[in-house]
Amino acid sequence: DAGVTQSPTHLIKTRGQQVTLRCSPKSGHDTVSWYQQALGQGPQFIFQYYEEEERQRGNFPDRFSGHQFPNYSSELNVNALLLGDSALYLCASSELAYEQFFGPGTRLTVL
Amino acid sequence: TQLLEQSPQFLSIQEGENLTVYCNSSSVFSSLQWYRQEPGEGPVLLVTVVTGGEVKKLKRLTFQFGDARKDSSLHITAAQTGDTGLYLCVSGGGSNYKLTFGKGTLLTVNP
Repeated sequence: DAGVTQSPTHLIKTRGQQVTLRCSPKSGHDTVSWYQQALGQGPQFIFQYYEEEERQRGNFPDRFSGHQFPNYSSELNVNALLLGDSALYLCASSELAYEQFFGPGTRLTVL
Repeated sequence: TQLLEQSPQFLSIQEGENLTVYCNSSSVFSSLQWYRQEPGEGPVLLVTVVTGGEVKKLKRLTFQFGDARKDSSLHITAAQTGDTGLYLCVSGGGSNYKLTFGKGTLLTVNP
């Protein structure tokens, strides 16, 4: 049984560009959450998707948007990239409100 | 949003030593979780504590939840190099969908 998978593993972009990160949840999980982890910090909650809708959102600007597909996979989109968006982006999946399982993350570098 | 303070921020010890890391909040936790994150990986859940005064053991790891449910500690006995990682204190989950992370304690166990 595959766990949570994320792609790509690493990504380098320049300021002002747009990026899309992808996440496939653990089998049987219907809820996907996204987190941003800056260097030396704990992860910060971006948003959570359930039944293809954004259920809860953290303190992130509208440049951060997402989507969940009928197969429960999810995308995180970031527009107009800033240097400060450089971070590890983690996806976590869960079944409803139970334990969240994390993927290995996507390391985004903005130059 | 509940703020979680973890201490120490960094800890470097020799294999075989004991250590304790702490997590504190100004408000009461409904529940508290400890995660460990190894380099290049996402966080992995170690334990969830719910009841004030609760003590849980996971092999050489002992987790304690304060009586007032505003603090917690993680004690590792006879540390091994495989214990190296970032230990994160986390609140939320369940009906409060998002997880709120502390900044973590970065533990390095030297051989």
